[in-house]
Amino acid sequence: GAVVSQHPSRVICKSGTSVKIECRSLDFQATTMFWYRQFPKKSLMLMATSNEGSKATYEQGVEKDKFLINHASLTLSTLTVTSAHPEDSSFYICSARLGLGSETQYFGPGTRLLVL
Amino acid sequence: GQNIDQPTEMTATEGAIVQINCTYQTSGFNGLFWYQQHAGEAPTFLSYNVLDGLEEKGRFSSFLSRSKGYSYLLLKELQMKDSASYLCAVMDSNYQLIWGAGTKLIIKP
Repeated sequence: GAVVSQHPSRVICKSGTSVKIECRSLDFQATTMFWYRQFPKKSLMLMATSNEGSKATYEQGVEKDKFLINHASLTLSTLTVTSAHPEDSSFYICSARLGLGSETQYFGPGTRLLVL
Repeated sequence: GQNIDQPTEMTATEGAIVQINCTYQTSGFNGLFWYQQHAGEAPTFLSYNVLDGLEEKGRFSSFLSRSKGYSYLLLKELQMKDSASYLCAVMDSNYQLIWGAGTKLIIKP
């Protein structure tokens, strides 16, 4: 149980385009999902916390208009990198929490974004 | 400030035992997690400790001392596939996860 999927696993795009990444909880309902970014050989950096049906809470320094997050259902959250630039190239990972009483986060496989 | 400390890198021999330490200073405490992350992959959940003591799960055990702000992950009967980074994370009073930088574990035959 507690499987989280992400799509796509890899994406290469041109500078200036927008990229949407989907995060799905496959066998449970996730009221809260998290989006992380990870640079090579670095730890995870929390970008935002996404609660179903409400606006995402962004961490300090993360541009809300640049990284659009939508959590429209209990099993799906999306991250859209708008007007992507080469410095946005990174490994983006989502995680989902089972719900009240369970604090464990289960991670999706990650999406590797390369902006040319 | 909030801080999680763990060694950057450790080396151990196949079949041996290794202990990865984690010390933390956070605003509040709602549990400590250990995750395993293989290169190029997302983390996978290993353990969660919220009470003092040792939790054993097969070859892996995790220990917590809240009064000392200290945890360790113990890996027994090391296998080559255990070569990975091990991330320590603490949930603070706001239920936010504070992440350590990870310990890269290298297993040698």
